Amino acid sequence: GQNIDQPTEMTATEGAIVQINCTYQTSGFNGLFWYQQHAGEAPTFLSYNVLDGLEEKGRFSSFLSRSKGYSYLLLKELQMKDSASYLCAVLDSNYQLIWGAGTKLIIKP
Amino acid sequence: DTGVSQDPRHKITKRGQNVTFRCDPISEHNRLYWYRQTLGQGPEFLTYFQNEAQLEKSRLLSDRFSAERPKGSFSTLEIQRTEQGDSAMYLCASSLVGEATDTQYFGPGTRLTVL
Repeated sequence: GQNIDQPTEMTATEGAIVQINCTYQTSGFNGLFWYQQHAGEAPTFLSYNVLDGLEEKGRFSSFLSRSKGYSYLLLKELQMKDSASYLCAVLDSNYQLIWGAGTKLIIKP
Repeated sequence: DTGVSQDPRHKITKRGQNVTFRCDPISEHNRLYWYRQTLGQGPEFLTYFQNEAQLEKSRLLSDRFSAERPKGSFSTLEIQRTEQGDSAMYLCASSLVGEATDTQYFGPGTRLTVL
């Protein structure tokens, strides 16, 4: 079966750095996405990785290791507005997005 | 604004009633997806269209659910004889096939409450 695992909840302090991990087992791989979702709102696109390595975009970076079936999202200089759920999703061999359940990130002052 | 739009944003209905939701994708996007999401879960795939063709429908999807995209632009999702278990956020997303990343962009969702 297809499976995406990520922690259910994480807590971090304003101004700090947090790393949210995602491991996946899917039938084929055509890229990995990270989305941010605030409570009661739709997911918004953050990043896309298809090759191994680190993609940096401002305060957010995303890393991928295809051989390990592993990705992480790194958030720096945390702000209160970063409190949200972060969803990892993999595009499988049928170009279907397989979603994780999301990691709820709580930022404390 | 040329993002994905959905209507209505909220719908409250009684069990057994039919409901219909609408999604208008980003204008140049040729793929349109419907998802359902419940609290604490990721989006659950329902179905998707490429232009006007419905290419896949989730095997878990009840026959009470039907979707159309008659002219390859907007889409409707109808739920017949609603049940309390249908209460969820219904999300629509669109993407452009051929774009390098095939990134899906989501609308604001329709929150359905079945009493």
